[in-house]
Amino acid sequence: AQSVTQLGSHVSVSEGALVLLRCNYSSSVPPYLFWYVQYPNQGLQLLLKYTSAATLVKGINGFEAEFKKSETSFHLTKPSAHMSDAAEYFCAVSDLSGNKLVFGAGTILRVKS
Amino acid sequence: NAGVTQTPKFQVLKTGQSMTLQCAQDMNHEYMSWYRQDPGMGLRLIHYSVGAGITDQGEVPNGYNVSRSTTEDFPLRLLSAAPSQTSVYFCASSSQTLSTEAFFGQGTRLTVV
Repeated sequence: AQSVTQLGSHVSVSEGALVLLRCNYSSSVPPYLFWYVQYPNQGLQLLLKYTSAATLVKGINGFEAEFKKSETSFHLTKPSAHMSDAAEYFCAVSDLSGNKLVFGAGTILRVKS
Repeated sequence: NAGVTQTPKFQVLKTGQSMTLQCAQDMNHEYMSWYRQDPGMGLRLIHYSVGAGITDQGEVPNGYNVSRSTTEDFPLRLLSAAPSQTSVYFCASSSQTLSTEAFFGQGTRLTVV
């Protein structure tokens, strides 16, 4: 069964600093990979997805993620954090059938002024 | 478009009561799913449907029933609520499979006392 590990349940950065949220997955074949963001009291919103077209994926709000097969990682980055980035971020993987999304436990990002 | 609409937003049940969480989407999506979100555990798949009349179990189906009589609606039924079902429930839909973007509702916060 596929699984997703997000390192760090809480990450705190200063405004303007680099954001790095870590995600590792377990899968025998390259799956579909996603990052979703959840703002307080809202549903999840897609940030970006990897579907094998390119290893560096650009998403909304200046976020990007790099797929590294050798490390089974899909870390999320943003060069300069903004206060509005404060939210919970989820990494997810789907199997090849696309019928099931497996989510990581989530990382809460705090941005300090 | 309203997207994915969940009702109610909040609900308190007594142990043993039954209720139905409603989910409707107006995007003509074939795929719909239900997740529960618990602190530190991310989102876990309860049931999903790949089209009207077709449903299947996810990771944590026990205590929940679903049906899909129309493309638009995918209700989740709790037959006999238990405190362990206290959670935030999210409905999601996507055009085909989860290799495409999943659209989430705003969630239903359920407390079982």
